[in-house]
Amino acid sequence: GIQVEQSPPDLILQEGANSTLRCNFSDSVNNLQWFHQNPWGQLINLFYIPSGTKQNGRLSATTVATERYSLLYISSSQTTDSGVYFCAVNAGGTSYGKLTFGQGTILTVHP
Amino acid sequence: DTEVTQTPKHLVMGMTNKKSLKCEQHMGHRAMYWYKQKAKKPPELMFVYSYEKLSINESVPSRFSPECPNSSLLNLHLHALQPEDSALYLCASSQALARQRFNEQFFGPGTRLTVL
Repeated sequence: GIQVEQSPPDLILQEGANSTLRCNFSDSVNNLQWFHQNPWGQLINLFYIPSGTKQNGRLSATTVATERYSLLYISSSQTTDSGVYFCAVNAGGTSYGKLTFGQGTILTVHP
Repeated sequence: DTEVTQTPKHLVMGMTNKKSLKCEQHMGHRAMYWYKQKAKKPPELMFVYSYEKLSINESVPSRFSPECPNSSLLNLHLHALQPEDSALYLCASSQALARQRFNEQFFGPGTRLTVL
């Protein structure tokens, strides 16, 4: 099956700093999503981005499908950005929408 | 409205109990999913329903029994679980497009299950 690797595994920032999270995947994908999981377990949709670039406030994401990677940018980080960030992909075909998740990046933002 | 609801939020059960988890969405989505997430791990797919039919079973033990009674509801029936089945159980839904293509998935808040 498709492999998804995220880096870095852990990231510690001071409030106000910028960061880039990376997601590499081993095969072509139909869908790619970025999520933020809060301390209560809720997966919050950040971006649905199988290709191209999108921006939402302080967050933006770029997926280069031909090179099999996606980047999530967080600017001017806030303590509320802390949590786990997951990249998840769907390989299409007979996978029927199955999302395969990376191991996640644990982000800690200190005041 | 992009809301998926799950009940209960927390569940504690013994190994001989029978319980059910419930998931509901009113976004008109025709694909629904169960994922299992162990502590400090990513979610892993268990089942996919497309148009109320089971499309994927990821070799899940038979003590987990899914059911999709209509396009808005998804249940997960639990029986004779083991302590290692303790986890966060997440439900998701998405549009089901033509030719087995599926759109963005939206997740519910999860049920935190503890098996004693």
